[in-house]
Amino acid sequence: AQTVTQSQPEMSVQEAETVTLSCTYDTSESDYYLFWYKQPPSRQMILVIRQEAYKQQNATENRFSVNFQKAAKSFSLKISDSQLGDAAMYFCAYRRANAGGTSYGKLTFGQGTILTVHP
Amino acid sequence: GAVVSQHPSRVICKSGTSVKIECRSLDFQATTMFWYRQFPKQSLMLMATSNEGSKATYEQGVEKDKFLINHASLTLSTLTVTSAHPEDSSFYICSAEFGGFDSNQPQHFGDGTRLSIL
Repeated sequence: AQTVTQSQPEMSVQEAETVTLSCTYDTSESDYYLFWYKQPPSRQMILVIRQEAYKQQNATENRFSVNFQKAAKSFSLKISDSQLGDAAMYFCAYRRANAGGTSYGKLTFGQGTILTVHP
Repeated sequence: GAVVSQHPSRVICKSGTSVKIECRSLDFQATTMFWYRQFPKQSLMLMATSNEGSKATYEQGVEKDKFLINHASLTLSTLTVTSAHPEDSSFYICSAEFGGFDSNQPQHFGDGTRLSIL
């Protein structure tokens, strides 16, 4: 079974600074997808960024970028120029790439990291 | 705009009653929907996967008779918490995804339902 671990329960950053959230995962599969979701106090789940395991290039979305290290099974999220609106709980998630039984599309989430942004 | 609508957003009811939560995909046909439970400051725990027209697949430890899931159409899945008790109080979130083989499509999440059992 796949597992996702976020070892930082809480992180804080000053506005305009950069912060990196860590995520590691365990899988025996070679093809899969990784995601970072943001959950603000409203509790809506918002997709921040995604990475296909077969792509070596790290994904970027504006101020958000990832450092994907497939061999190390590491998938960290870097937030540049942090804004007050970035304050939220962030979840790393894993999903298989191939359909298989009843688990196709199932997301496995990490424990989450609460990010506080100080003005 | 939202592509998955979840209703109601907030429910407060007495112990022993049953509560139904609806999850609708608005702009697409969702062959698969997922139901999650989340406690404060904790991760999302998958409860079950529901496929249109078939029985839901429950995760280990989730009581099928307590949490009834019905996926009667390609746009609607419902979760019914039967004979709810205070320990069932939680935040419940649904998500839906397209059919097809493009597993790059992310799941679209509803806004969640906060259930409080008195």
